Amino acid sequence: NAGVMQNPRHLVRRRGQEARLRCSPMKGHSHVYWYRQLPEEGLKFMVYLQKENIIDESGMPKERFSAEFPKEGPSILRIQQVVRGDSAAYFCASSVDRGNQPQHFGDGTRLSIL
Amino acid sequence: GENVEQHPSTLSVQEGDSAVIKCTYSDSASNYFPWYKQELGKRPQLIIDIRSNVGEKKDQRIAVTLNKTAKHFSLHITETQPEDSAVYFCAASSNTNAGKSTFGDGTTLTVKP
Repeated sequence: NAGVMQNPRHLVRRRGQEARLRCSPMKGHSHVYWYRQLPEEGLKFMVYLQKENIIDESGMPKERFSAEFPKEGPSILRIQQVVRGDSAAYFCASSVDRGNQPQHFGDGTRLSIL
Repeated sequence: GENVEQHPSTLSVQEGDSAVIKCTYSDSASNYFPWYKQELGKRPQLIIDIRSNVGEKKDQRIAVTLNKTAKHFSLHITETQPEDSAVYFCAASSNTNAGKSTFGDGTTLTVKP
């Protein structure tokens, strides 16, 4: 039973480019969460999605960031016109149901902005 | 919204000693409290969790206690080993928060051999 799959593991972009991060949840999981982690810091919630719906995006910056979880395919976190401050590890987690269920994390995408 | 505070931020113990990490939360509606272990460069992994209908849960060398009245919960690791060295995160969530977990800032545990 494959775990949460994220790709790419490492992504390098130049300022002003777009970054697209992908997350495939565990089999049977329909709830996806995205977190950002700066070096030596904690996990900051960004967005919670269910298939075709954004449930909570209270942690997403208002500009340049967007997320989707289509009916078919992985969840995508998209960052437009990246800046140096976007450099971080982005983790995706999934759960079998909403609410009080364990979240299973992927290996993360390390985004570096030149 | 929910606010989770975690202490200490760093903890160093001698191999074989016990380690205790404490978290407090603000939302009395929170009823699920997981703990995650993150080794350097790796994913956070769930190590134990507790729900608000119990006060204590144990799994081998790891235990978690919950005090709903005081709104705090703690992670206890006994007989620590060097491989326990990692960053530990507590989290809190509730149905009223639409399933979102609020994480503490983490505790870096170092177990000296």
